[in-house]
Amino acid sequence: GDSVTQMEGPVTLSEEAFLTINCTYTATGYPSLFWYVQYPGEGLQLLLKATKADDKGSNKGFEATYRKETTSFHLEKGSVQVSDSAVYFCALSLTGRRALTFGSGTRLQVQP
Amino acid sequence: GAGVSQSPSNKVTEKGKDVELRCDPISGHTALYWYRQSLGQGLEFLIYFQGNSAPDKSGLPSDRFSAERTGGSVSTLTIQRTQQEDSAVYLCASSISDIYNEQFFGPGTRLTVL
Repeated sequence: GDSVTQMEGPVTLSEEAFLTINCTYTATGYPSLFWYVQYPGEGLQLLLKATKADDKGSNKGFEATYRKETTSFHLEKGSVQVSDSAVYFCALSLTGRRALTFGSGTRLQVQP
Repeated sequence: GAGVSQSPSNKVTEKGKDVELRCDPISGHTALYWYRQSLGQGLEFLIYFQGNSAPDKSGLPSDRFSAERTGGSVSTLTIQRTQQEDSAVYLCASSISDIYNEQFFGPGTRLTVL
């Protein structure tokens, strides 16, 4: 079945460090890919998305590129801030099945 | 309202009781989803409504779970004869259609079954 695998957390970084959170997927067909973020005490928010191979999603300094050849959608940010501390979820959806399949989430802690 | 709202925000119930969880999607959104977030299982899809089509119930974990959507808007998730393993945060999301699948999530209902 369809699945999303994310790197285990927590990821602890100092402010202004470079961030990578790995995400790979298994899917029959060509999924749309998403990163959602859950800040402490808040609901899930869409961070960015990509709907076809080689698309790059970007928002708030975060980027992720849809890599069909490696079935990956890694999240990156050049310089993290304390306010980026949250749990990040990678997700996919397939044409004809609009529900999202989520990864297990990666907790990011950014220290000042 | 501006976003997806859910009620109650917290619900504590005794094992064996029935509970109803409510979701108000964003006005004009035709697609509505229920998910469950728990420590052991992560984020799981439960059920999906799109317009007047028959719902996709493929994620419901047992026949104790059911959901309805009245008038294409408000949805209620019902759990009958609750069990301790039903304890989780139940999330509702809506999207403007099932083609552009940017889903907007509500704050969730935290269910605790004692």
